[in-house]
Amino acid sequence: NAGVTQTPKFQVLKTGQSMTLQCAQDMNHEYMSWYRQDPGMGLRLIHYSVGAGITDQGEVPNGYNVSRSTTEDFPLRLLSAAPSQTSVYFCASSYNTPGASYNSPLHFGNGTRLTVT
Amino acid sequence: AQRVTQPEKLLSVFKGAPVELKCNYSYSGSPELFWYVQYSRQRLQLLLRHISRESIKGFTADLNKGETSFHLKKPFAQEEDSAMYYCALSRETSGSRLTFGEGTQLTVNP
Repeated sequence: NAGVTQTPKFQVLKTGQSMTLQCAQDMNHEYMSWYRQDPGMGLRLIHYSVGAGITDQGEVPNGYNVSRSTTEDFPLRLLSAAPSQTSVYFCASSYNTPGASYNSPLHFGNGTRLTVT
Repeated sequence: AQRVTQPEKLLSVFKGAPVELKCNYSYSGSPELFWYVQYSRQRLQLLLRHISRESIKGFTADLNKGETSFHLKKPFAQEEDSAMYYCALSRETSGSRLTFGEGTQLTVNP
């Protein structure tokens, strides 16, 4: 199993450009999410999905869109890139266990390092 | 809203010395607490979780609800422990949504 695969690994954009960060998992996980990692701020949740066709906003959703048409894929779209979106982006997935007494741990991708100039 | 605080951004110890990475949280319910680790050029991975009450790579962490803390400890640090460590919290109703702390970069010197 490849686990969680993110592409590309690196990307440089100019302000105003759009792009899509890809995320795919082969573990049949219902839950998928996107985080951004910034120095001194840890990881902050952008968007998440508990299953195909269901998405919701996290802590910092502005400037980002997501869709979940299949269980495997959860792309993150930047509609009009801004320098404030320079960050490392992580996709993560897990089994969704609503009502369970414990939560399934997250499996992370290798990250995408995005620079917006 | 819940919050996780890791007061030390950087922590440096010598090999063989004890190490403690601090994690405090604010949440009035019954949280689930995790420690995730990111070694150099590797992906973020789960180190341990409070419900498991187990030791992983010599690390332990005890949930102290009175002090709202979940400090990570190891009695004898090794150079391979050098990494970025994140404490994270999940609320009982949030499923897999985690709130992460700011992270602590641990360096173990020879």
